[in-house]
Amino acid sequence: GDSVTQMEGPVTLSEEAFLTINCTYTATGYPSLFWYVQYPGEGLQLLLKATKADDKGSNKGFEATYRKETTSFHLEKGSVQVSDSAVYFCALTPTNAGKSTFGDGTTLTVKP
Amino acid sequence: DAMVIQNPRYQVTQFGKPVTLSCSQTLNHNVMYWYQQKSSQAPKLLFHYYDKDFNNEADTPDNFQSRRPNTSFCFLDIRSPGLGDAAMYLCATAGLAGVGAETQYFGPGTRLLVL
Repeated sequence: GDSVTQMEGPVTLSEEAFLTINCTYTATGYPSLFWYVQYPGEGLQLLLKATKADDKGSNKGFEATYRKETTSFHLEKGSVQVSDSAVYFCALTPTNAGKSTFGDGTTLTVKP
Repeated sequence: DAMVIQNPRYQVTQFGKPVTLSCSQTLNHNVMYWYQQKSSQAPKLLFHYYDKDFNNEADTPDNFQSRRPNTSFCFLDIRSPGLGDAAMYLCATAGLAGVGAETQYFGPGTRLLVL
């Protein structure tokens, strides 16, 4: 079945540091890939997505590129802020828009 | 703004006392999902609806039931909550087909506490 593997956390960075959170997946066909962010006590918010190979999703300074050759969708941000502290989930949805598969989440803490 | 709304945001119930959580959406999406999430773990799918077609996950306990009276509303009923059912419950929606159908939109969640 489908699976998503995320870089284990927690991750602690200083403000303005570079962020990478690794995500790799296993799926048949051509799934869509997502990053969701969850702030404390809140639901999941869609951060960015990519629906086909080589697409780059971007939002709020975050980026991720759909790499089919390495089955990866790593999340990056050039300069993190304290307000980026949250849990980040990588997810995929199969080609037929069926059930999504989520990674285990990575907790990011950014210190001033 | 089109959105997914969950009420209440916090719910306290007693062990064994039935409780209902509600979700509504203004996105006119065909698909609605209920997830259980514990301690910032990955959300666990309980069940979902394609329109009125109910789809239960194999490992969802019978204690959890759902109703979808119309496109906009969906309810999660926990018939006899146990201490292990304390969690965040997330509702999500998605379109059935077309551009953007692969994307799920989440509500803010209801945090359930069982005393």
